[in-house]
Amino acid sequence: DTAVSQTPKYLVTQMGNDKSIKCEQNLGHDTMYWYKQDSKKFLKIMFSYNNKELIINETVPNRFSPKSPDKAHLNLHINSLELGDSAVYFCASSQDGTELTGNTIYFGEGSWLTVV
Amino acid sequence: GENVEQHPSTLSVQEGDSAVIKCTYSDSASNYFPWYKQELGKRPQLIIDIRSNVGEKKDQRIAVTLNKTAKHFSLHITETQPEDSAVYFCAAADSWGKLQFGAGTQVVVTP
Repeated sequence: DTAVSQTPKYLVTQMGNDKSIKCEQNLGHDTMYWYKQDSKKFLKIMFSYNNKELIINETVPNRFSPKSPDKAHLNLHINSLELGDSAVYFCASSQDGTELTGNTIYFGEGSWLTVV
Repeated sequence: GENVEQHPSTLSVQEGDSAVIKCTYSDSASNYFPWYKQELGKRPQLIIDIRSNVGEKKDQRIAVTLNKTAKHFSLHITETQPEDSAVYFCAAADSWGKLQFGAGTQVVVTP
């Protein structure tokens, strides 16, 4: 009964390829995110969707395209992969902030992307 | 936008001693401050959080303090144990719910 699940967990691919990472949450949350964690462990938000609508779009190359078919899914497609895209990509979700729940974010297990 | 600074970047403590990690934030409208623990190869997991209407919160060996005037908040871990070794992240959420993370603190607890 994994709350936030993402696939694949490991992905090794060549430069120039196109790849996708899928994410699903069964928490009933309204908001989903993609975070990138680089080799220095820095966690940086890339995108945020609320009920399938894009609400946060940080400065990310347009080779990265999120897609949310419904509020329980947020997939990340990456075109023309580059060496610098190597990182761990975390999907996450949260319920809209309320007085009781705040904005607690629950992370998936991460997808280790290595571009060679 | 929000900017969160976290110190120190690494912290080595003897088992049984206390560990303190400090963070500052820039947006005075920020209202929610969670702390996450990330063990090697694992996901970040929430360990404690504090909201702007509270100055201090404690959960067993961990506690957080918040000083809204100075715009800083801290994590305190008492009686540290080897399983406390991990990377700890502070974060601040603005009124839109966007969470900005600090750069992380690598805590090493030596027996």
